[in-house]
Amino acid sequence: SQQGEEDPQALSIQEGENATMNCSYKTSINNLQWYRQNSGRGLVHLILIRSNEREKHSGRLRVTLDTSKKSSSLLITASRAADTASYFCATAAGRDDKIIFGKGTRLHILP
Amino acid sequence: NAGVTQTPKFRVLKTGQSMTLLCAQDMNHEYMYWYRQDPGMGLRLIHYSVGEGTTAKGEVPDGYNVSRLKKQNFLLGLESAAPSQTSVYFCASRRRPGVDSNQPQHFGDGTRLSIL
Repeated sequence: SQQGEEDPQALSIQEGENATMNCSYKTSINNLQWYRQNSGRGLVHLILIRSNEREKHSGRLRVTLDTSKKSSSLLITASRAADTASYFCATAAGRDDKIIFGKGTRLHILP
Repeated sequence: NAGVTQTPKFRVLKTGQSMTLLCAQDMNHEYMYWYRQDPGMGLRLIHYSVGEGTTAKGEVPDGYNVSRLKKQNFLLGLESAAPSQTSVYFCASRRRPGVDSNQPQHFGDGTRLSIL
């Protein structure tokens, strides 16, 4: 079964607004990663947060991690039309750092 | 620097046929992965490899075999294709996790496979 579960499954917001996506997982992890996928393309890595970190920033992206609740959130500030894509969380766990993906959130930025 | 290259990009097979998908990476990465992506299911791990000559099962390994004879290549085989294997297949690679485990995956653009 998949480790991560994103919420919501789909999100539509106006350009300029902030978009927040959540990810919950089931077991202990080494780190949690967020990826983006444009239609018809492979996944692109956005940001990685380690299990001992609580918050991380990269440009307009802000990721939080709460290991006690086994959850993470991805915030995209000041959204742009080009942010329209699917976003996936992935957890790395175990000795092999095996990576398991969630089902993703489809984000649509309205002009 | 090509990154991760998957061949072919598209393929249509008949039930029962066999084929091999090729993944090549030029980043000298130790770890390689094969995923399948179906609508509403996200990415599911089929098999992975932590080094040349080693492979391991992922979440959905049945019906697939893999080989990692060379560090830069990871092959995914379908011995007898079934309609349930119609999917988009993605390969990924990454460096071996270090002390800081700060190693993201790099993905290819996928292979779209249809089984009739």
